[in-house]
Amino acid sequence: QKEVEQNSGPLSVPEGAIASLNCTYSDRGSQSFFWYRQYSGKSPELIMFIYSNGDKEDGRFTAQLNKASQYVSLLIRDSQPSDSATYLCAVNPTGKLIFGQGTTLQVKP
Amino acid sequence: ETGVTQTPRHLVMGMTNKKSLKCEQHLGHNAMYWYKQSAKKPLELMFVYSLEERVENNSVPSRFSPECPNSSHLFLHLHTLQPEDSALYLCASSQEASGIAYNEQFFGPGTRLTVL
Repeated sequence: QKEVEQNSGPLSVPEGAIASLNCTYSDRGSQSFFWYRQYSGKSPELIMFIYSNGDKEDGRFTAQLNKASQYVSLLIRDSQPSDSATYLCAVNPTGKLIFGQGTTLQVKP
Repeated sequence: ETGVTQTPRHLVMGMTNKKSLKCEQHLGHNAMYWYKQSAKKPLELMFVYSLEERVENNSVPSRFSPECPNSSHLFLHLHTLQPEDSALYLCASSQEASGIAYNEQFFGPGTRLTVL
């Protein structure tokens, strides 16, 4: 079983819709969860982090964490073509960041 | 220069060549990292340096040799690589190599390496 799993996509949504990106992790002791965004040909950049169960909102982005289900998601409201990128989920179970393979999001105008 | 820079941006080398990748961070961070990113695979952490001391080596083959002469510079020396080593090599830095600050890593643009 992969430590951090993401559907590679691509996930295609129309402009203005809500994009939902999902991630599951295997280490039940994980405490810290992160979303990095990577535009094509660019390096990853941290956009959200969440440590507690529930929702955390930052502008159009909402991170959701459910530790019981070992599940973390990223919602992007009012998706824009500029949101088209690969979104990497990362989990820190033991002091080391473990990345998923990323989900490619395509927002169609 | 700002953030994290890497040179060269692209590198093509033969299996018998020796080359080096360079990374420089202008953020005043104490920790630096080398990652390998292959197509359709997760980012793989290769090496971690904290205050110029290597604190982690994730079972990386000896044909990859890191060097951290100071907290701002990180090198990855390459020799006798294999075609399967072709990938994007990313350098990153963070304020510290542990704790909350470890998780906010700032990445360089990467070096696209092709081994023939």
